[in-house]
Amino acid sequence: SAVISQKPSRDICQRGTSLTIQCQVDSQVTMMFWYRQQPGQSLTLIATANQGSEATYESGFVIDKFPISRPNLTFSTLTVSNMSPEDSSIYLCSVEGEREYNEQFFGPGTRLTVL
Amino acid sequence: GIQVEQSPPDLILQEGANSTLRCNFSDSVNNLQWFHQNPWGQLINLFYIPSGTKQNGRLSATTVATERYSLLYISSSQTTDSGVYFCAVEGTGGTSYGKLTFGQGTILTVHP
Repeated sequence: SAVISQKPSRDICQRGTSLTIQCQVDSQVTMMFWYRQQPGQSLTLIATANQGSEATYESGFVIDKFPISRPNLTFSTLTVSNMSPEDSSIYLCSVEGEREYNEQFFGPGTRLTVL
Repeated sequence: GIQVEQSPPDLILQEGANSTLRCNFSDSVNNLQWFHQNPWGQLINLFYIPSGTKQNGRLSATTVATERYSLLYISSSQTTDSGVYFCAVEGTGGTSYGKLTFGQGTILTVHP
């Protein structure tokens, strides 16, 4: 399976600021996904990021709040904008593996705390 | 959208015990995966199992797609099995491609 890294691994931010999270994969992948896991909750898909096209956002998530870039087939960023304490979550990126149809593998996550 | 329900929500075991975790889903699926989230938040892939039965060491899983459920079996549990177990599915609708919907998870605690 692909090796996925995320930066930063954790951060503490002040409300009203923005944070950009990076996701790097060691092989080329068509689709990358961004998920949010709020404290004590399950994972929720934020958006799907394909290289060369605009990200597709799920209901409840908007581009102004969570802008995504996908400049090439191995890299993506998610920005959490104008943060509030409700944005405190783990943010995870995932990619499809090469072996099974849409088997997804996850990065280690970015643990964000907003004060 | 597709609904995913996991049971039980919490499970406490003594080391060496066996357990069965269940995942029910509301519609046909293209993909079903089981994950273990360790205490550091990392999601570990356990099984890719949209149908059939698979085994990996002390863990095995069975998905009965026609009846819309999957089971994860853990035998001879160890303290390192503690964590949260998630079931995630991808529906078959055209707009569902690549989108995993997660259940709420089962929190497993194994005591020595």
